[in-house]
Amino acid sequence: DTAVSQTPKYLVTQMGNDKSIKCEQNLGHDTMYWYKQDSKKFLKIMFSYNNKELIINETVPNRFSPKSPDKAHLNLHINSLELGDSAVYFCASSQGQDYGYTFGSGTRLTVV
Amino acid sequence: GDSVTQMEGPVTLSEEAFLTINCTYTATGYPSLFWYVQYPGEGLQLLLKATKADDKGSNKGFEATYRKETTSFHLEKGSVQVSDSAVYFCALSETGNQFYFGTGTSLTVIP
Repeated sequence: DTAVSQTPKYLVTQMGNDKSIKCEQNLGHDTMYWYKQDSKKFLKIMFSYNNKELIINETVPNRFSPKSPDKAHLNLHINSLELGDSAVYFCASSQGQDYGYTFGSGTRLTVV
Repeated sequence: GDSVTQMEGPVTLSEEAFLTINCTYTATGYPSLFWYVQYPGEGLQLLLKATKADDKGSNKGFEATYRKETTSFHLEKGSVQVSDSAVYFCALSETGNQFYFGTGTSLTVIP
């Protein structure tokens, strides 16, 4: 199936831990993104990569570090997790302005 | 900068009622406009889009027309079903490097 897939779907972890979320797309898109969705459904862009190059790096704590080994993968590593990091994280990809995003199904991160 | 403003919810309608969710935008150039839908526990799915002024996007009975003169892209459906209950997001993009989303409007359709 052609899609954006991210793993894990659920992640429960303790404060202070380090965790990673993986994202892969097999759509051939050049641009990939990470978004954070809070409990009120508000979507905030975190990072955007085009062909493995960082394009957008919003005001996100430097505990969050994206890594793009190739244009089909964009992983998110989070150090020293805090309670406020609890949210749903969405990976997405796009082939350009006119085409919109294809989203992954999300990773629900709960920090306890 | 670019931004999207959409009507606040939640919106509750009876089955077969008419739906309008308002969306207005601010952009410096000529954006493409989108509506996304998020069903409970799922990611966002593209519902419809329009890439230039006066274009009408449509899908699954939903429609939205790109109105440059009023900078609007309102979502409409003539007869909603229970299965349309979801959160709807209006979005725009000028470059493809970033898409700007509205705050989302929650719709609940009751039988």
